[in-house]
Amino acid sequence: QKEVEQNSGPLSVPEGAIASLNCTYSDRVSQSFFWYRQYSGKSPELIMSIYSNGDKEDGRFTAQLNKASQYVSLLIRDSQPSDSATYLCALSSSGTYKYIFGTGTRLKVLA
Amino acid sequence: DGGITQSPKYLFRKEGQNVTLSCEQNLNHDAMYWYRQDPGQGLRLIYYSQIVNDFQKGDIAEGYSVSREKKESFPLTVTSAQKNPTAFYLCASSQGLAREQYFGPGTRLTVT
Repeated sequence: QKEVEQNSGPLSVPEGAIASLNCTYSDRVSQSFFWYRQYSGKSPELIMSIYSNGDKEDGRFTAQLNKASQYVSLLIRDSQPSDSATYLCALSSSGTYKYIFGTGTRLKVLA
Repeated sequence: DGGITQSPKYLFRKEGQNVTLSCEQNLNHDAMYWYRQDPGQGLRLIYYSQIVNDFQKGDIAEGYSVSREKKESFPLTVTSAQKNPTAFYLCASSQGLAREQYFGPGTRLTVT
């Protein structure tokens, strides 16, 4: 089993809809979770970090963490064509400098 | 503006040549990282450094070398021993353990 799993997509949503991206992980001691957006040919850009169970909102983005079920999700409200990108989930464990990345979910927002 | 710079953006080399990729940050971050990204794969850790003059191998360190003589700089050398060096190389930094990691723009290396 991969340490971080994401559906590769593409996930297609119409403009203005909510896009829901999911990530499951296998390491129960993971403490820090991150979502990155990566446009084609570019480097990953940090969108959000989340460290405790529950929801964290930042503008149109909401990260949700459920450590008991070992998943983290990213909701994008009012999706725009400019949100079309690959979204990477990453995690790190307390006491380590190592980060584990998923392979990403490709999101397509249709105008 | 604070950030991470990588140079060059594109690099072309012949097989058998060593090549050094530059990474500089002015975020005052202690930790720096090098990743490799191949199509359809996640980021794979090559090397990381927690402090100056110290660095650790990541998951795919064979054929690569690094140095950390200054806090701001973490250059990566791709040696001729690296079997498949063509890839997108990303440098990143973070303030501390398990904190947010920020990436530079990347260097796309092509070896023929």
